[in-house]
Amino acid sequence: DTAVSQTPKYLVTQMGNDKSIKCEQNLGHDTMYWYKQDSKKFLKIMFSYNNKELIINETVPNRFSPKSPDKAHLNLHINSLELGDSAVYFCASSHVHGYTFGSGTRLTVV
Amino acid sequence: QKEVEQDPGPLSVPEGAIVSLNCTYSNSAFQYFMWYRQYSRKGPELLMYTYSSGNKEDGRFTAQVDKSSKYISLFIRDSQPSDSATYLCAIVETSGSRLTFGEGTQLTVNP
Repeated sequence: DTAVSQTPKYLVTQMGNDKSIKCEQNLGHDTMYWYKQDSKKFLKIMFSYNNKELIINETVPNRFSPKSPDKAHLNLHINSLELGDSAVYFCASSHVHGYTFGSGTRLTVV
Repeated sequence: QKEVEQDPGPLSVPEGAIVSLNCTYSNSAFQYFMWYRQYSRKGPELLMYTYSSGNKEDGRFTAQVDKSSKYISLFIRDSQPSDSATYLCAIVETSGSRLTFGEGTQLTVNP
């Protein structure tokens, strides 16, 4: 039973398109995150939600919009995709300081 | 200056070697220290978690924290080819929930 699951696993799309990535956790954690991992493997936080409320919003373009319909789900919608958005996006959840990551969504913008 | 500095490697060692992976950090508010392992095309998985200075051991893995020097280390004894992965240090402030990662060190253990 996957603890943090993301869909899709791979996403190839053209510049200018709008796409969404979904994330669900079954751990009962209150806090969920989106991280971006670039080609050099550097992981950087984008957003954090606690019980459906946005608590961290790093310097991320407005084209990125997270949505949390309930505390078990955190989706990421990206408008007007650009080449530089190509990366692996990881969803994670945490309770206190125990973090669990999903397996990632590899986004390629062509 | 980056908040967390980690030598990206790559690091290549023979099977059975002792591996030392290190990070330094600049923010004294960082209080919780973690090491994650990431296999290729997978998400990071938590290896070790500590919040105090000193050593914490788990099987072949030892995490070491020196808060006075703002220095953390992960030692792997009797390294195995299955240890080949990217190792990321991650640190959390006392007040927050944000994980700040180092760049990751790519390790290859050769049979």
